[in-house]
Amino acid sequence: SQTIHQWPATLVQPVGSPLSLECTVEGTSNPNLYWYRQAAGRGLQLLFYSVGIGQISSEVPQNLSASRPQDRQFILSSKKLLLSDSGFYLCAWSQRGSNQPQHFGDGTRLSIL
Amino acid sequence: SQKIEQNSEALNIQEGKTATLTCNYTNYSPAYLQWYRQDPGRGPVFLLLIRENEKEKRKERLKVTFDTTLKQSLFHITASQPADSATYLCAPHRSGGYNKLIFGAGTRLAVHP
Repeated sequence: SQTIHQWPATLVQPVGSPLSLECTVEGTSNPNLYWYRQAAGRGLQLLFYSVGIGQISSEVPQNLSASRPQDRQFILSSKKLLLSDSGFYLCAWSQRGSNQPQHFGDGTRLSIL
Repeated sequence: SQKIEQNSEALNIQEGKTATLTCNYTNYSPAYLQWYRQDPGRGPVFLLLIRENEKEKRKERLKVTFDTTLKQSLFHITASQPADSATYLCAPHRSGGYNKLIFGAGTRLAVHP
């Protein structure tokens, strides 16, 4: 069966520090991969998606970037964190094609001080 | 722009009753609609997908309807249990587009014993 791992579960970082969140998927190949951010009490905002190694599409301009160095690895990064980067970050995968369910990791709670 | 509306207020119901959650959308015509459950501090979990040519879909105690004329989906949980307490998210979407989903903000359901 397929599983998705996301770490760390919680992270506290100072303003201006770098960020690297990692997500890996097991049990499937060539998945679509997604990064979302969820502000408290708000809906999910799609940040990036990827349909293949090295292929990244950004949905909103921001202080973050994403990379997909391997088929089942998706990384969210920042060179310098802002206070506004605080939130709950979720990674998800789906099979290729449309109308496929998305499967989420358990998220990273990021607090910027 | 595309807009998805779910009741922002929590829905409180008594155990054993039927819970009905509403998802309204405007400014686009989705071919599919997905429903997810999200528990506090966890990632969303896929529940059901309904296509535009399906008026109703069932899975155990869950039932989803999709009315493309009203631009609305209803999500029902029959014989509700306290374990059904969670936030429920809808995601109407078109075909194609790399399976990108736009989620509503969700409705929190609280089932009381």
